[in-house]
Amino acid sequence: DAKTTQPPSMDCAEGRAANLPCNHSTISGNEYVYWYRQIHSQGPQYIIHGLKNNETNEMASLIITEDRKSSTLILPHATLRDTAVYYCIVSGPNAGNMLTFGGGTRLMVKP
Amino acid sequence: ETGVTQTPRHLVMGMTNKKSLKCEQHLGHNAMYWYKQSAKKPLELMFVYNFKEQTENNSVPSRFSPECPNSSHLFLHLHTLQPEDSALYLCASSQVQGSNYGYTFGSGTRLTVV
Repeated sequence: DAKTTQPPSMDCAEGRAANLPCNHSTISGNEYVYWYRQIHSQGPQYIIHGLKNNETNEMASLIITEDRKSSTLILPHATLRDTAVYYCIVSGPNAGNMLTFGGGTRLMVKP
Repeated sequence: ETGVTQTPRHLVMGMTNKKSLKCEQHLGHNAMYWYKQSAKKPLELMFVYNFKEQTENNSVPSRFSPECPNSSHLFLHLHTLQPEDSALYLCASSQVQGSNYGYTFGSGTRLTVV
């Protein structure tokens, strides 16, 4: 599985956009980029995923570079409830490709 | 609720006890997983079941014994655990293939071994 690199922590002001970067320079052609978040002592929550096109849903936007070696998760208007650890994971679409979690980025949204 | 229910939410057990963790999903998923999350460590994949068949055992000690009687239920049987096994145990489910929405996780069981 491709590995990812994320900053260990970030701060963001409430109401501002939070931009969380992820490097995945060894990603394979059929591997997706997934983003999850884990609020303290809860199970991880799926946010968004993409292959090569930018994606947007009600939670966030995912921007993937053209060479697919990095991506950015954007929370357009961060709230205090967005404080969590955010995980960027690359994985293939098939049964044998499982999600392997790294250390993630601890996002602290401040008032 | 995420659609994946884990019980109990908290468990304290002695090193000589036998206990079981339960996970249930009614999302129509065919794959289920056990993860372990120790303090200040990333999630570690323990076991994977696809269509009730175990397909992955990530070098987990035999004091952890999984059971998957059907696609909706997953158990983790625990016996003679050690204090270092204290952790948050998370269950997840997904479609086997074409997992467009990734995994759905339960809220976990916080296990303390005394």
